[in-house]
Amino acid sequence: AQSVTQLGSHVSVSEGALVLLRCNYSSSVPPYLFWYVQYPNQGLQLLLKYTTGATLVKGINGFEAEFKKSETSFHLTKPSAHMSDAAEYFCAVTLPPGTYKYIFGTGTRLKVLA
Amino acid sequence: DVKVTQSSRYLVKRTGEKVFLECVQDMDHENMFWYRQDPGLGLRLIYFSYDVKMKEKGDIPEGYSVSREKKERFSLILESASTNQTSMYLCASSPPRGTGAYNEQFFGPGTRLTVL
Repeated sequence: AQSVTQLGSHVSVSEGALVLLRCNYSSSVPPYLFWYVQYPNQGLQLLLKYTTGATLVKGINGFEAEFKKSETSFHLTKPSAHMSDAAEYFCAVTLPPGTYKYIFGTGTRLKVLA
Repeated sequence: DVKVTQSSRYLVKRTGEKVFLECVQDMDHENMFWYRQDPGLGLRLIYFSYDVKMKEKGDIPEGYSVSREKKERFSLILESASTNQTSMYLCASSPPRGTGAYNEQFFGPGTRLTVL
């Protein structure tokens, strides 16, 4: 069965430190991959997505993610955390590519320490 | 910008009540979705609709029904609310195939439902 795993339900980083949020998937075919962010009391907002082409994808607010097929991973990074990055982050896939149904990970709550 | 609105941000209902959650999108999107979000479980799909009057069950449809009479509006119905339906409910929409963003979903702000 297809699945998405986000390692670490809570991650804390210091302001200015590297942010690394992990996402691994299992799939029989290469999926489309997404990262969404949810700020407190809001809906989800797309950060970035990978469909085809370049495996390093840049998104909004300085985030990027790299699709590594050999590792079945799509980890989210940001070189320098800002207080405003505190939120919950969700990795999602569509399987097979291009269908409407998402499979979401369970989310990682990012805390940024001053 | 796409706007997805939900009728209530917070809702408190009693066990056994019939509950309607409304979602409206203003971008002429074909596809609309209802999810529930629970801590540690992420988002789980309840129902989705790919056209007016068309619907398909998601992963957890039990205890829910939906209605899509107009393209812009997708309603989630709890026929007889129970305490285990206390949750955050998120509506989303996505454009049709052939558009650049067809595999993206645009979310509303959510409705936090408490069933007492």
